[in-house]
Amino acid sequence: DTGVSQDPRHKITKRGQNVTFRCDPISEHNRLYWYRQTLGQGPEFLTYFQNEAQLEKSRLLSDRFSAERPKGSFSTLEIQRTEQGDSAMYLCASSFQGAIGEQFFGPGTRLTVL
Amino acid sequence: ILNVEQSPQSLHVQEGDSTNFTCSFPSSNFYALHWYRWETAKSPEALFVMTLNGDEKKKGRISATLNTKEGYSYLYIKGSQPEDSATYLCAPVGAGSYQLTFGKGTKLSVIP
Repeated sequence: DTGVSQDPRHKITKRGQNVTFRCDPISEHNRLYWYRQTLGQGPEFLTYFQNEAQLEKSRLLSDRFSAERPKGSFSTLEIQRTEQGDSAMYLCASSFQGAIGEQFFGPGTRLTVL
Repeated sequence: ILNVEQSPQSLHVQEGDSTNFTCSFPSSNFYALHWYRWETAKSPEALFVMTLNGDEKKKGRISATLNTKEGYSYLYIKGSQPEDSATYLCAPVGAGSYQLTFGKGTKLSVIP
């Protein structure tokens, strides 16, 4: 399967714990995006990478959130000191560099913070 | 931040019915509009990317139109089938940005 993959698919954690999610984009895509979807809302943009450079960050991305893409391939999203409000579906997407970058999404990681 | 409205929020139709949804967005600074279909437990799937005023796109029984001057897009499904049951999301992109700003979606349920 050459689509976008995310790991884990589900994560349950206790408040205050740190969690890390991984995204593997489509191999030839140089752009990678993270979105978050909470109940009843559409996905909300968190951050965007072009190769290994993080070029755009939403103000939704508090200091407890950090994303990396060290070699311009896979990416990780870490949430420190999780809060119940962090419970959401975290989606990763990738695209070609180009004028109209159609974004291809992974299946998401569903985080539940108890 | 773009204000994106989708209506209706949810919709139940009988198999074989045709239906349509609306996506409204600010017309200023428009660059492109994406439509996605998101089935439960699956990845969001891209349907269309539209850029030009008056653009019409078609994929099987699904089609979409775009009006960038007034800031809206319609998605049409002809002869709905149970496998069309999903949440349909629209996401405009502003000039100079790469982020998709999604609406809340329209949840379609097709009753066999």
